[in-house]
Parts: sequence; structure tokens; C-alpha cells
Amino acid sequence: DAGVIQSPRHEVTEMGQEVTLRCKPISGHNSLFWYRQTMMRGLELLIYFNNNVPIDDSGMPEDRFSAKMPNASFSTLKIQPSEPRDSAVYFCASSLWPGPSGNTIYFGEGSWLTVV
Amino acid sequence: KQEVTQIPAALSVPEGENLVLNCSFTDSAIYNLQWFRQDPGKGLTSLLLIQSSQREQTSGRLNASLDKSSGRSTLYIAASQPGDSATYLCAVVTGANSKLTFGKGITLSVRP
Repeated sequence: DAGVIQSPRHEVTEMGQEVTLRCKPISGHNSLFWYRQTMMRGLELLIYFNNNVPIDDSGMPEDRFSAKMPNASFSTLKIQPSEPRDSAVYFCASSLWPGPSGNTIYFGEGSWLTVV
Repeated sequence: KQEVTQIPAALSVPEGENLVLNCSFTDSAIYNLQWFRQDPGKGLTSLLLIQSSQREQTSGRLNASLDKSSGRSTLYIAASQPGDSATYLCAVVTGANSKLTFGKGITLSVRP
């Protein structure tokens, strides 16, 4: 398997523009996670889906952020309008439904976003 | 709210040294704990996963231990090599929704 695939790898955009990040999870995985990583705050969970349904979006910073998972093989994270403080690395990750026993989570290589 | 702490933030050791990376968490009611490695510009790679009922896990030169009652885990790296240079993060799963809470990581540099 190719692993979790994210695009774009790098994006530089101007403040106020819409940004769409894309993720293809590992085939057969039923849980998908969006994380944001910054030097100051480390890794933060933004939202996660199970069987394409959002389970917990409490980490989404504000209404400018939205995420969708229209099918088991694709998810998007959208920021509209973008602001400089959104500059970060955004990771997508997938796993089989963790549950109490826990399963290994696999990360993509991230989308490096810079908002100027 | 679960908080995960990793101290120090950075560590530099000479090649060949055995070393221990520490992780502490505030809520001992965890389901599991995982150690990850992150190379610069890359995503995270899972190294070891310890279930809440387990005390340790081993993979090659790596050994992770878990003491739930004290809220601590250690990652032991034997005979360190320059290729071990990376950031090591620990994360815990707490609660029914199985969210991973990460520490900020320890950046390890192994000098040749």
C-alpha cells in the first residue's frame, strides 16, 4: 500500500484565500484524523471521522475550518478565509477503528501551509 | 483533560550510548500509549504501541515501558546510531473516543 497520501505537500497562499487540503487514507482503514502541528502547540487533533462520519470536531479552531469525508477513500480540510496564524503543517492519518484496544495510526507526510 | 509532557525538549548524545527518553501523562486511565518517530519534513512513524494491560514492548534496539499508576513511560534506545537522530513523540489514547494526545516530542541528535 502507498500509505496515507496528502496533497499538496507545500502551499503558499495570501491571507483571505481559500485553502483546500486533501487526503487519501490507507485502503481498508475506517478512521481518519486531521492534525495540525506547530512549534508552539505541537500536534493538535482537529477532527476525526469513523466510517466517513465526523465523530469529534472539538479541535477545529473556528468556523473558518471545515472538513468533509464524502467516501472511504477521500477527505478534505478547508480553510476559508485563511489567515497567517493558520500557517502550520497539517497531517492526515488513518487507522482501523481504534477502540479500547488501540491500533497503530499511520500518518501522511503532511501539507506545509504558509499564509502570507 | 489529558496532558502529555516530554522533557527535555532536546538531547544530544555520542554514538553508541544507551539512552532513555521520558514521557509523562496526567490521566492514568489510558487505553494505550504509542511512541512515534518524526524525521525533518516528514510525517510520524509508529515505533511501539503498549496496551494499557502491558508493561513493555520491544522492537529491535528499542524498548518501551509503561507504568500507568505513575503516569510514566520510557523509550530505551540501545547502542544509539546517527540514524536514530529524529524527534520522538509519545501519545496516549484516553477515553471512549480513542483520541490520541501527543507530547511535544524530544529532538534527539546522535553525534558520530
